[in-house]
Amino acid sequence: DGGITQSPKYLFRKEGQNVTLSCEQNLNHDAMYWYRQDPGQGLRLIYYSQIVNDFQKGDIAEGYSVSREKKESFPLTVTSAQKNPTAFYLCASSKGFGTDTQYFGPGTRLTVL
Amino acid sequence: AQTVTQSQPEMSVQEAETVTLSCTYDTSENNYYLFWYKQPPSRQMILVIRQEAYKQQNATENRFSVNFQKAAKSFSLKISDSQLGDTAMYFCAFIHYSGSARQLTFGSGTQLTVLP
Repeated sequence: DGGITQSPKYLFRKEGQNVTLSCEQNLNHDAMYWYRQDPGQGLRLIYYSQIVNDFQKGDIAEGYSVSREKKESFPLTVTSAQKNPTAFYLCASSKGFGTDTQYFGPGTRLTVL
Repeated sequence: AQTVTQSQPEMSVQEAETVTLSCTYDTSENNYYLFWYKQPPSRQMILVIRQEAYKQQNATENRFSVNFQKAAKSFSLKISDSQLGDTAMYFCAFIHYSGSARQLTFGSGTQLTVLP
């Protein structure tokens, strides 16, 4: 089955620790994205990657980092510099960058204790 | 700045009836795409329908259809014959067709509850 997987589904972190969220896709999509969702709000773009070994900051990149070493994988690291990291994180991919429809993974709920 | 406004935070509808969710957006561009996504309690974001701004004909997908009014910058979603499985948060979004900052801009969502 083709799709996007995110792991883990739930993640708990102590303050001051970095944590990495996984995102894998087997859709052969070139573009991948990370979004953050807070209660009562829409999705906000953290980072995106148009192609392997390339990525760009979105609207709220501070305190986050990404890598794109493989086409299938786009991990997101939430660093200790992120002041309010508790949120729901969604990964998405699209065939090409821009107007191609984005398809989403099931998400990871991160809670900072 | 690009914005998307969904003025109805919550709505409810009886099973089998029709409901319309509203969405307005603001952009100075002429070429863009519009989307409705649903997020059920599982929190998986699922594409409902997509509309190209250059097309005058409104998009339809089975029980889901849109009313796209480009001049008014309005993009409402109509759900016919509502089913219990339609209960979800619905997000309106758009993206520009060209330019370096092509990113999906989302509204804040409308929580729809279908009542038995």
